[in-house]
Amino acid sequence: AQSVTQPDIHITVSEGASLELRCNYSYGATPYLFWYVQSPGQGLQLLLKYFSGDTLVQGIKGFEAEFKRSQSSFNLRKPSVHWSDAAEYFCAVRGNTPLVFGKGTRLSVIA
Amino acid sequence: EAQVTQNPRYLITVTGKKLTVTCSQNMNHEYMSWYRQDPGLGLRQIYYSMNVEVTDKGDVPEGYKVSRKEKRNFPLILESPSPNQTSLYFCASSLSRGLNNEQFFGPGTRLTVL
Repeated sequence: AQSVTQPDIHITVSEGASLELRCNYSYGATPYLFWYVQSPGQGLQLLLKYFSGDTLVQGIKGFEAEFKRSQSSFNLRKPSVHWSDAAEYFCAVRGNTPLVFGKGTRLSVIA
Repeated sequence: EAQVTQNPRYLITVTGKKLTVTCSQNMNHEYMSWYRQDPGLGLRQIYYSMNVEVTDKGDVPEGYKVSRKEKRNFPLILESPSPNQTSLYFCASSLSRGLNNEQFFGPGTRLTVL
């Protein structure tokens, strides 16, 4: 079965700084990978997804993620963080079973 | 507007008092599921349904029941709630169980069991 690890529980960045959230997965074949964002008091919103093809995928709100098979990673990036990006971010993987989520990374943004 | 709705959004109850959390989607999706979210544990799947009258256990089904009598509705039933079921619950739906189908999430139901 697949699994997901988000090594960072909480990250704080300054507004305008770049961001990278780490995600490592475990699955024997090429998985389907997702990043979701959960703003305070809200449900989950899909930021982007990877199924195949170009390993650099673009998402909403200026986010992108890069699939690296050799590192079993799917890290989320944004070149310049805005205060409204403060939220919890979940990486998820789907292999041969329903969607499996990581434990999340909470992002705080300081002025 | 395409959406997944859940009711109630907030609920405080006592141990043993049966409750139902409703979930409804207006996108004609076949696949629906329930998750619970707990601090430090992320989201864990409780039950899922691939279509009407087809349901199956997820990772943490103990203490929960579901039904899928209509395509749009997928209620979560707690026959005898206990304090360890205090959590944030999300319903989700997708077009099918296909691997590349995006799941759409409801706004969540925060349940407290005293």
